[in-house]
Amino acid sequence: GAGVSQSPSNKVTEKGKDVELRCDPISGHTALYWYRQSLGQGLEFLIYFQGNSAPDKSGLPSDRFSAERTGGSVSTLTIQRTQQEDSAVYLCASSRGETMADTQYFGPGTRLTVL
Amino acid sequence: AQTVTQSQPEMSVQEAETVTLSCTYDTSESDYYLFWYKQPPSRQMILVIRQEAYKQQNATENRFSVNFQKAAKSFSLKISDSQLGDAAMYFCAYRSLGAQKLVFGQGTRLTINP
Repeated sequence: GAGVSQSPSNKVTEKGKDVELRCDPISGHTALYWYRQSLGQGLEFLIYFQGNSAPDKSGLPSDRFSAERTGGSVSTLTIQRTQQEDSAVYLCASSRGETMADTQYFGPGTRLTVL
Repeated sequence: AQTVTQSQPEMSVQEAETVTLSCTYDTSESDYYLFWYKQPPSRQMILVIRQEAYKQQNATENRFSVNFQKAAKSFSLKISDSQLGDAAMYFCAYRSLGAQKLVFGQGTRLTINP
């Protein structure tokens, strides 16, 4: 079946603009995760959704970052007033969400460049 | 908070040889999960192997195996009969039993020499 997909693949924006990154999880997966991969910080967790709720948003770096999930499926990560330090690859993952042992399957990521 | 350390930023191996990637972690928990993920240039993270901490037996997946030393908090990945397609970044990751997020190491870039 289809894996996790993300769009756009690459996004270049100017400092101060808002951006939206999209994630389509594997069909039937109730858990969804966002991670950020940057040169300076490595791979870091941002937020976790179970269904449409976000029980763990502890990794969001500032109030400029927000995320939502609708219909228990698609998720959007929004970054407002982008800064150069927001430049990174944003990875989305999903899992069945049934047990703690479930594997997280990752998408190809969105590379965000803030000029 | 848990931390994961990969002390080898880069490794290289001759095709068909064996290579071992190191990973250590810090935790006060007794039960948890450990993972090795591979990230090729396509950026998509692919699960290579996983280990449940309560299991004594080391996990094995074809040419990939781990050496899990719980007391030493060590979780190394051995790749046997290395192939050109194994070239990638390899990340070690930790997950608590009571949390969903993965905590990653800094990664090891593996190069396969033909």
